[in-house]
Amino acid sequence: DAEITQSPRHKITETGRQVTLACHQTWNHNNMFWYRQDLGHGLRLIHYSYGVQDTNKGEVSDGYSVSRSNTEDLPLTLESAASSQTSVYFCASRETETTDTQYFGPGTRLTVL
Amino acid sequence: AQTVTQSQPEMSVQEAETVTLSCTYDTSESDYYLFWYKQPPSRQMILVIRQEAYKQQNATENRFSVNFQKAAKSFSLKISDSQLGDAAMYFCALEGNTPLVFGKGTRLSVIA
Repeated sequence: DAEITQSPRHKITETGRQVTLACHQTWNHNNMFWYRQDLGHGLRLIHYSYGVQDTNKGEVSDGYSVSRSNTEDLPLTLESAASSQTSVYFCASRETETTDTQYFGPGTRLTVL
Repeated sequence: AQTVTQSQPEMSVQEAETVTLSCTYDTSESDYYLFWYKQPPSRQMILVIRQEAYKQQNATENRFSVNFQKAAKSFSLKISDSQLGDAAMYFCALEGNTPLVFGKGTRLSVIA
């Protein structure tokens, strides 16, 4: 079955380290998204991509980067992890249009010490 | 900028009863979509219901229905015959020319 996966599911790192969270989908969806979820804030958009080589900043993009070299993957990189980036991170994808359902991955819990 | 407001951080409902979760939003766009997502303790985000703004008819999915008031920019979710499995965080979300903007969520408890 087609799916969207995230790895790792849990990660503990130290301040200042570079961290990469993986997101892989097997639906061949064009659109992919990264969100973070914090208590009291709901989900907030970090970066998104509408196709290969396309990336766009979301509401809370500072300190994060993404690259899209193929359709299936959109890795999220924290260049220099900060304690404020401790959060649960969700990846999502959809085929193309807004009317298409957006499918979410299971989430990655990141702790920055 | 698009914003979504959920004014009820927590709600509770007796099993088999009906509950309504509130959501208001703001957007300058005329063409947009509204969503309700459910997040159970497993953290998985599950789409509950979707409404296209250009459709006047309220969307319905089994026990879930919405009351979409476009002029008032209101999009409430009604859950009928509540079940224990409905206990979760519920997020209202809006998408127009930019990707999904979420509200802060309402935690729904179902009392047996």
